[in-house]
Amino acid sequence: DGGITQSPKYLFRKEGQNVTLSCEQNLNHDAMYWYRQDPGQGLRLIYYSQIVNDFQKGDIAEGYSVSREKKESFPLTVTSAQKNPTAFYLCASSTTRQPQHFGDGTRLSIL
Amino acid sequence: AQTVTQSQPEMSVQEAETVTLSCTYDTSENNYYLFWYKQPPSRQMILVIRQEAYKQQNATENRFSVNFQKAAKSFSLKISDSQLGDTAMYFCASIHAGNMLTFGGGTRLMVKP
Repeated sequence: DGGITQSPKYLFRKEGQNVTLSCEQNLNHDAMYWYRQDPGQGLRLIYYSQIVNDFQKGDIAEGYSVSREKKESFPLTVTSAQKNPTAFYLCASSTTRQPQHFGDGTRLSIL
Repeated sequence: AQTVTQSQPEMSVQEAETVTLSCTYDTSENNYYLFWYKQPPSRQMILVIRQEAYKQQNATENRFSVNFQKAAKSFSLKISDSQLGDTAMYFCASIHAGNMLTFGGGTRLMVKP
C-alpha cells in the first residue's frame, strides 16, 4: 500500500547529540514537509521541499536541517543547536493543491 | 500571510448528538482549498473532509459535513450522530498559493457516552 513511513516511532537524544528522523514515501509526491507539534498545540512547519535537491525553511527552522537527495526521502536532523527538541514530529507529502498525507510521527525526548 | 482561526479550544458532545466546530480564515485569493483533519490520541493526522473554494456546494463525507460561507470566510465542520471514536483534536487548514498548508490551532472534541 502507498503511504508515508516515519522511523523510529520513539527517539531519545543525549545532550549535544545530533539525531536524524527518517521519512520515506512511495506516493510519488513531489512535495514533502516536516512539522513539529508540542503537547496540546497545533502543527508548526519546520522545513519543506517542493522538488528534489531543493528545500525551504518553514516557520521554526533554527536548530534543524534537512536533505532531499531522492524524491522518496526527506530526513530531518535535529542538531545540538535545537535547545528544546522534545516534541512530536510529523512528516507529510503532497502533490500540487492536494491535501497532505501524513506519517504516523516520531516522538523525540531528551535523556 | 494566510491565517486560520479556530475559536473553540475545547468542546464536548453527547454520543449520538450533533456538534459543530468553527473555523475562520483570511485570504485574498479566489482559488484555494480548505480541509478538516482529525488527530485522535494515536496522534495520526487523518483527512476528514475537503472543500474547493470554487465549489458552492458544501462537501459531505458520511456523518461529516461542512458549512462553507465564502463571503464570511467561514468553514465550520458538523459531525452528526457523534460516536466515541470521534474524540480527537480537529484541525482546520487551508491551501493557498502553492502547496503550503496553514493550520488553525485546533479544537479538542470529547464525545461523552
